[in-house]
Amino acid sequence: AQKVTQAQTEISVVEKEDVTLDCVYETRDTTYYLFWYKQPPSGELVFLIRRNSFDEQNEISGRYSWNFQKSTSSFNFTITASQVVDSAVYFCALHYTGANSKLTFGKGITLSVRP
Amino acid sequence: DTGVSQDPRHKITKRGQNVTFRCDPISEHNRLYWYRQTLGQGPEFLTYFQNEAQLEKSRLLSDRFSAERPKGSFSTLEIQRTEQGDSAMYLCASSPRGQGVDTQYFGPGTRLTVL
Repeated sequence: AQKVTQAQTEISVVEKEDVTLDCVYETRDTTYYLFWYKQPPSGELVFLIRRNSFDEQNEISGRYSWNFQKSTSSFNFTITASQVVDSAVYFCALHYTGANSKLTFGKGITLSVRP
Repeated sequence: DTGVSQDPRHKITKRGQNVTFRCDPISEHNRLYWYRQTLGQGPEFLTYFQNEAQLEKSRLLSDRFSAERPKGSFSTLEIQRTEQGDSAMYLCASSPRGQGVDTQYFGPGTRLTVL
Protein backbone atom coordinates (compact mmCIF):
# COMPACT_ATOMS: atom_id res chain seq x y z
CA ALA A 1 0.00 0.00 0.00
CA GLN A 2 1.15 3.53 -0.74
CA LYS A 3 0.23 5.81 2.08
CA VAL A 4 1.18 8.98 3.94
CA THR A 5 0.32 9.36 7.60
CA GLN A 6 0.39 12.67 9.41
CA ALA A 7 -0.69 11.59 12.87
CA GLN A 8 -0.75 15.10 14.35
CA THR A 9 -3.90 16.92 13.28
CA GLU A 10 -3.54 20.25 15.05
CA ILE A 11 -0.57 21.89 16.75
CA SER A 12 -0.63 25.20 18.58
CA VAL A 13 2.55 26.99 19.65
CA VAL A 14 3.55 30.41 20.85
CA GLU A 15 5.65 32.55 18.55
CA LYS A 16 9.40 31.80 18.65
CA GLU A 17 8.87 28.21 19.75
CA ASP A 18 10.33 25.43 17.61
CA VAL A 19 7.85 22.94 16.19
CA THR A 20 8.24 19.60 14.39
CA LEU A 21 5.65 18.24 12.00
CA ASP A 22 5.77 14.47 11.55
CA CYS A 23 5.30 12.51 8.34
CA VAL A 24 5.42 8.72 7.98
CA TYR A 25 5.07 7.08 4.59
CA GLU A 26 4.54 3.60 3.19
CA THR A 27 5.63 2.40 -0.22
CA ARG A 28 6.99 -0.78 -1.73
CA ASP A 29 8.98 1.14 -4.30
CA THR A 30 12.69 1.73 -3.88
CA THR A 31 12.54 4.92 -5.92
CA TYR A 32 10.14 7.55 -4.68
CA TYR A 33 9.89 11.24 -3.92
CA LEU A 34 8.63 13.06 -0.86
CA PHE A 35 7.25 16.58 -0.75
CA TRP A 36 6.06 19.13 1.76
CA TYR A 37 3.47 21.76 0.85
CA LYS A 38 2.05 24.65 2.87
CA GLN A 39 -1.59 25.71 2.52
CA PRO A 40 -2.27 29.11 4.08
CA PRO A 41 -5.84 30.33 4.65
CA SER A 42 -5.95 31.65 1.08
CA GLY A 43 -6.07 28.02 -0.08
CA GLU A 44 -3.18 27.82 -2.51
CA LEU A 45 -0.75 24.96 -1.93
CA VAL A 46 2.79 26.32 -1.77
CA PHE A 47 5.66 23.97 -2.58
CA LEU A 48 8.32 23.84 0.16
CA ILE A 49 10.66 20.95 -0.57
CA ARG A 50 11.16 17.77 -2.56
CA ARG A 51 13.43 14.87 -1.66
CA ASN A 52 14.16 11.65 -3.54
CA SER A 53 14.62 8.29 -1.87
CA PHE A 54 18.33 8.13 -2.64
CA ASP A 55 19.16 11.36 -0.90
CA GLU A 56 18.97 11.06 2.87
CA GLN A 57 20.84 14.25 3.58
CA ASN A 58 18.96 16.57 5.87
CA GLU A 59 18.23 19.99 4.49
CA ILE A 60 18.03 23.41 6.04
CA SER A 61 16.49 26.47 4.43
CA GLY A 62 16.37 29.46 6.72
CA ARG A 63 14.11 28.60 9.65
CA TYR A 64 12.96 25.38 7.96
CA SER A 65 14.71 22.03 8.18
CA TRP A 66 13.82 18.53 7.06
CA ASN A 67 14.92 15.20 8.50
CA PHE A 68 14.59 12.23 6.11
CA GLN A 69 15.10 8.78 7.66
CA LYS A 70 14.49 5.77 5.44
CA SER A 71 15.00 3.39 8.37
CA THR A 72 11.83 4.72 10.00
CA SER A 73 10.08 5.82 6.76
CA SER A 74 9.82 9.33 8.07
CA PHE A 75 10.28 12.78 6.57
CA ASN A 76 9.81 15.27 9.38
CA PHE A 77 9.70 19.04 9.08
CA THR A 78 10.94 21.44 11.75
CA ILE A 79 10.23 25.16 11.94
CA THR A 80 12.66 26.99 14.18
CA ALA A 81 11.59 30.17 15.95
CA SER A 82 8.06 29.97 14.59
CA GLN A 83 6.24 33.10 13.44
CA VAL A 84 2.57 33.96 13.11
CA VAL A 85 2.95 33.83 9.31
CA ASP A 86 3.79 30.13 9.64
CA SER A 87 0.17 29.44 10.60
CA ALA A 88 -1.19 27.17 7.88
CA VAL A 89 -2.02 23.57 7.04
CA TYR A 90 1.07 21.56 6.11
CA PHE A 91 0.87 18.53 3.85
CA CYS A 92 3.37 15.78 3.27
CA ALA A 93 3.04 13.97 -0.07
CA LEU A 94 4.51 10.90 -1.76
CA HIS A 95 5.18 10.14 -5.37
CA TYR A 96 6.14 6.55 -6.11
CA THR A 97 7.29 5.17 -9.44
CA GLY A 98 4.15 3.13 -9.94
CA ALA A 99 1.97 6.21 -9.61
CA ASN A 100 2.64 7.54 -13.09
CA SER A 101 1.85 11.07 -12.14
CA LYS A 102 -0.16 11.55 -9.01
CA LEU A 103 0.86 12.71 -5.58
CA THR A 104 -0.53 10.90 -2.55
CA PHE A 105 -1.11 13.36 0.27
CA GLY A 106 -1.48 12.97 4.00
CA LYS A 107 -4.41 14.56 5.79
CA GLY A 108 -2.40 17.59 6.78
CA ILE A 109 -1.40 19.24 10.05
CA THR A 110 -2.97 22.53 11.07
CA LEU A 111 -0.33 24.70 12.71
CA SER A 112 -1.41 27.74 14.70
CA VAL A 113 1.27 30.12 15.90
CA ARG A 114 0.02 32.53 18.56
CA PRO A 115 1.68 35.89 19.15
CA ASP B 1 6.42 33.88 -14.25
CA THR B 2 2.81 34.06 -13.23
CA GLY B 3 1.55 31.10 -11.28
CA VAL B 4 -1.27 28.68 -11.99
CA SER B 5 -4.59 30.50 -12.19
CA GLN B 6 -8.08 29.11 -11.73
CA ASP B 7 -11.47 30.56 -12.48
CA PRO B 8 -13.84 31.00 -10.80
CA ARG B 9 -12.48 31.05 -7.27
CA HIS B 10 -15.90 30.28 -5.82
CA LYS B 11 -18.99 28.67 -7.30
CA ILE B 12 -22.33 28.10 -5.64
CA THR B 13 -24.81 26.00 -7.56
CA LYS B 14 -27.98 24.05 -7.04
CA ARG B 15 -28.06 20.29 -7.12
CA GLY B 16 -28.54 18.99 -10.63
CA GLN B 17 -26.89 21.93 -12.39
CA ASN B 18 -23.75 21.64 -14.52
CA VAL B 19 -20.61 23.57 -13.65
CA THR B 20 -17.34 24.17 -15.47
CA PHE B 21 -14.03 25.27 -14.03
CA ARG B 22 -11.02 26.59 -15.87
CA CYS B 23 -7.30 26.21 -15.11
CA ASP B 24 -4.46 28.11 -16.76
CA PRO B 25 -1.11 26.45 -16.02
CA ILE B 26 2.26 28.13 -15.74
CA SER B 27 3.45 29.06 -19.18
CA GLU B 28 5.31 26.23 -20.93
CA HIS B 29 4.34 23.63 -18.35
CA ASN B 30 3.22 20.68 -20.41
CA ARG B 31 1.78 18.64 -17.55
CA LEU B 32 -1.47 19.54 -15.86
CA TYR B 33 -3.26 17.87 -12.94
CA TRP B 34 -6.64 18.14 -11.24
CA TYR B 35 -7.16 17.27 -7.57
CA ARG B 36 -10.14 17.47 -5.25
CA GLN B 37 -9.87 18.45 -1.59
CA THR B 38 -12.64 18.05 0.96
CA LEU B 39 -12.67 19.62 4.40
CA GLY B 40 -10.02 18.23 6.71
CA GLN B 41 -8.45 16.05 4.04
CA GLY B 42 -5.47 16.24 1.75
CA PRO B 43 -5.92 16.69 -1.98
CA GLU B 44 -6.96 13.59 -3.92
CA PHE B 45 -5.86 13.05 -7.50
CA LEU B 46 -8.51 13.22 -10.21
CA THR B 47 -6.78 13.33 -13.58
CA TYR B 48 -3.59 14.21 -15.45
CA PHE B 49 -2.74 15.62 -18.87
CA GLN B 50 0.50 15.67 -20.76
CA ASN B 51 0.00 18.31 -23.43
CA GLU B 52 -3.52 17.63 -24.76
CA ALA B 53 -3.54 13.92 -23.92
CA GLN B 54 -5.40 12.78 -20.81
CA LEU B 55 -3.10 10.04 -19.56
CA GLU B 56 -4.62 9.04 -16.26
CA LYS B 57 -8.01 9.21 -14.56
CA SER B 58 -8.81 8.33 -10.98
CA ARG B 59 -11.72 6.12 -10.04
CA LEU B 60 -12.98 9.23 -8.22
CA LEU B 61 -13.74 10.72 -11.62
CA SER B 62 -17.24 9.41 -12.17
CA ASP B 63 -19.08 9.58 -15.49
CA ARG B 64 -20.45 12.96 -14.48
CA PHE B 65 -16.96 14.45 -14.54
CA SER B 66 -15.09 15.32 -17.70
CA ALA B 67 -11.83 17.16 -18.22
CA GLU B 68 -10.30 18.54 -21.36
CA ARG B 69 -7.15 20.29 -22.45
CA PRO B 70 -7.86 20.87 -26.12
CA LYS B 71 -4.77 22.77 -27.19
CA GLY B 72 -2.38 21.66 -24.53
CA SER B 73 -2.64 24.96 -22.70
CA PHE B 74 -5.61 25.69 -20.42
CA SER B 75 -7.85 22.94 -19.11
CA THR B 76 -11.51 22.70 -18.13
CA LEU B 77 -13.18 20.43 -15.62
CA GLU B 78 -16.92 19.97 -16.02
CA ILE B 79 -19.26 18.36 -13.52
CA GLN B 80 -22.69 17.43 -14.83
CA ARG B 81 -25.78 17.00 -12.65
CA THR B 82 -23.97 18.15 -9.53
CA GLU B 83 -24.64 16.43 -6.22
CA GLN B 84 -24.09 17.70 -2.69
CA GLY B 85 -21.18 15.29 -2.35
CA ASP B 86 -19.36 17.20 -5.10
CA SER B 87 -18.91 20.15 -2.73
CA ALA B 88 -15.15 20.53 -2.37
CA MET B 89 -12.12 22.57 -3.39
CA TYR B 90 -10.95 21.70 -6.89
CA LEU B 91 -7.24 22.27 -7.29
CA CYS B 92 -5.25 22.46 -10.48
CA ALA B 93 -1.49 22.00 -10.68
CA SER B 94 1.09 22.09 -13.43
CA SER B 95 4.64 20.87 -13.82
CA PRO B 96 7.32 21.56 -16.38
CA ARG B 97 8.46 19.40 -19.23
CA GLY B 98 11.03 16.92 -18.02
CA GLN B 99 11.97 13.34 -17.36
CA GLY B 100 10.56 11.49 -14.44
CA VAL B 101 9.01 13.22 -11.49
CA ASP B 102 8.49 16.95 -11.58
CA THR B 103 7.42 19.29 -8.85
CA GLN B 104 3.76 20.21 -9.13
CA TYR B 105 2.81 23.85 -8.62
CA PHE B 106 -0.74 24.49 -7.50
CA GLY B 107 -3.28 27.17 -8.23
CA PRO B 108 -5.56 28.85 -5.66
CA GLY B 109 -8.39 26.39 -6.27
CA THR B 110 -12.08 26.69 -7.07
CA ARG B 111 -14.35 26.16 -4.09
CA LEU B 112 -17.62 24.51 -5.15
CA THR B 113 -20.69 24.53 -2.96
CA VAL B 114 -23.67 22.48 -4.10
CA LEU B 115 -26.92 23.41 -2.37
